[in-house]
Amino acid sequence: GEDVEQSLFLSVREGDSSVINCTYTDSSSTYLYWYKQEPGAGLQLLTYIFSNMDMKQDQRLTVLLNKKDKHLSLRIADTQTGDSAIYFCAEKVTDKLIFGTGTRLQVFP
Amino acid sequence: DAGVTQSPTHLIKTRGQQVTLRCSPISGHKSVSWYQQVLGQGPQFIFQYYEKEERGRGNFPDRFSARQFPNYSSELNVNALLLGDSALYLCASSLFNSRDEQYFGPGTRLTVT
Repeated sequence: GEDVEQSLFLSVREGDSSVINCTYTDSSSTYLYWYKQEPGAGLQLLTYIFSNMDMKQDQRLTVLLNKKDKHLSLRIADTQTGDSAIYFCAEKVTDKLIFGTGTRLQVFP
Repeated sequence: DAGVTQSPTHLIKTRGQQVTLRCSPISGHKSVSWYQQVLGQGPQFIFQYYEKEERGRGNFPDRFSARQFPNYSSELNVNALLLGDSALYLCASSLFNSRDEQYFGPGTRLTVT
């Protein structure tokens, strides 16, 4: 089946690291993505990882993939107030993206 | 470089009416996908088009249709609108390669009353 799950809410202090988790069910996923959505806006592609990789780092972002457990995480280092948004993970299955329900990240001073 | 553009930004329709939403992809992208995002949920896949051919269809009723033009822009049509069609409609464009990174437009907010 196709299902992507995320925790709904995460609150962190400015300057700390944030870790957003995601689990998916379809083992045929080839790529997995992280998107950011700010209020009233479309989705911004942050990063992606190929399914045969276990880690990818891109500036403040680190993606970890545990393919055995079908678990994906996004770590944001030195979280800033501008990082406050909803974060979606998505898996690519054939020609479509399957999105999670999103995790709302709130950053407080 | 211009990103994905969508029009209109907002739209209010009444039940039973029909609506057409438009999307222009990033220059050089030949694939367009449409998603519906209901408030509080993640986007749900509706269609993907590549080179004017439908390449994928999500679990939506036949009231939803789309097409892609020779310049790779696309239209999404929804007939016989229901209250439950109220949502943010997102268009994404991509190169349609194996990685298929999809870049999203700002969306069209449709309200059905």
